[in-house]
Amino acid sequence: EVQLVESGGDLVQPGGSLRLSCAASGFPFNFYWMSWVRQAPGKGLEWVAILNQDGNEKKYVDSVRGRFTISRDNAKSSLYLQMNSLTAEDTAVYYCARDIQRTGDVWGQGTMVTVSS
Amino acid sequence: DVMMTQSPLSLPVTLGQPASISCRSSQSLVERDGNTYLSWFQQRPGQSPRRLIYEVSNRDSGVPDRFSGSGSGTDFTLKISRVEAEDVGIYYCMQATHWPRTFGQGTKVEIK
Repeated sequence: EVQLVESGGDLVQPGGSLRLSCAASGFPFNFYWMSWVRQAPGKGLEWVAILNQDGNEKKYVDSVRGRFTISRDNAKSSLYLQMNSLTAEDTAVYYCARDIQRTGDVWGQGTMVTVSS
Repeated sequence: DVMMTQSPLSLPVTLGQPASISCRSSQSLVERDGNTYLSWFQQRPGQSPRRLIYEVSNRDSGVPDRFSGSGSGTDFTLKISRVEAEDVGIYYCMQATHWPRTFGQGTKVEIK
């Protein structure tokens, strides 16, 4: 079964850092671009970052560029999102998604990040 | 950024009746390779998004054929031929021709 399982979400203070993980299974992880997408409480979806198969091509939405870093470990079939200098506006459910046809065909269940003092 | 505008934002529908959601982009979504990267997602209450349609009109495996996508350029439509109870949720269009990828605001489909 193709599956993505996110972890690492937590309550963190403004200015703090957090690292999210996404464990993939059921498909050849190193064949696919991978993404992070977030959804603030009660709000719509925002595509945060995307990473190619080798990990050497990445893109970020402007609101996180310079603060967030997307990375992967193909040997562990895992995707990561290092988030620094967090603000209340980063509070959201973070989903990882497998990318094909320039869109996410498989999504995880999400992990909640809350930035609050 | 490319703005995606959906209408309506709320769509009460009678079971068994058709439903239609419009999605308009602020720029053409035709890529240099000739493809149009417009997708539709369904998000049922309390669940992750699920892709229904990619590249305007290609239905994902397992998606009922009552769902169909159409359109071109800047104007796109998702149609449900006969709404069923399990179709309740929020529907989003998304463009991936331009970076950053952007979503519409979402259309909430509910049963009358």
